[in-house]
Amino acid sequence: DAGVIQSPRHEVTEMGQEVTLRCKPISGHNSLFWYRQTMMRGLELLIYFNNNVPIDDSGMPEDRFSAKMPNASFSTLKIQPSEPRDSAVYFCASSLWTSGGGETQYFGPGTRLLVL
Amino acid sequence: AQSVTQLDSQVPVFEEAPVELRCNYSSSVSVYLFWYVQYPNQGLQLLLKYLSGSTLVKGINGFEAEFNKSQTSFHLRKPSVHISDTAEYFCAVIPSYQGAQKLVFGQGTRLTINP
Repeated sequence: DAGVIQSPRHEVTEMGQEVTLRCKPISGHNSLFWYRQTMMRGLELLIYFNNNVPIDDSGMPEDRFSAKMPNASFSTLKIQPSEPRDSAVYFCASSLWTSGGGETQYFGPGTRLLVL
Repeated sequence: AQSVTQLDSQVPVFEEAPVELRCNYSSSVSVYLFWYVQYPNQGLQLLLKYLSGSTLVKGINGFEAEFNKSQTSFHLRKPSVHISDTAEYFCAVIPSYQGAQKLVFGQGTRLTINP
């Protein structure tokens, strides 16, 4: 199994530019999560999808952030325009969601974003 | 709402010594509990989780954790650590009611193993 795949692994951009992060979940998984990790705030859940439908986006910091999941094997997180305070590591995770609960989330390697 | 407190931000330990990483949580409802490990420049990987049953849970790489409901704790232990255990460790909780999916993480404990 290839695991969760994220691209790019590193991104350096200038303030005001658009940034698009990409994620391919594990095949067969039906839930997808986007997290942000910073030293100051730790790991924060930004948004998650079930069966390609956004369920909870209450963690998205502001309107500059948007996420889509057009199909079961691909998701994007877009920041437009980017700001220096968006610099962080962004993780994508996926799980096989069932009614039982307690499912394991499998994390990708992350995208390290630096906004200058 | 749930919250997780990892009592130590950094734990230095000598190789082959035992280690305990402490985790306390707060929740008004029953929860499931998790420990994840993050090696340098990698994503998080599940070490172990408690859903129900025996309160002593064994995980990968020789780690185990004990759920203590009265103390609302889920401490992680290993009897003898290796250099390769150097990593950041995260405790997390999620409500145990049907449909809950939002993991709440602690701030992490950085475990450093010295030779």
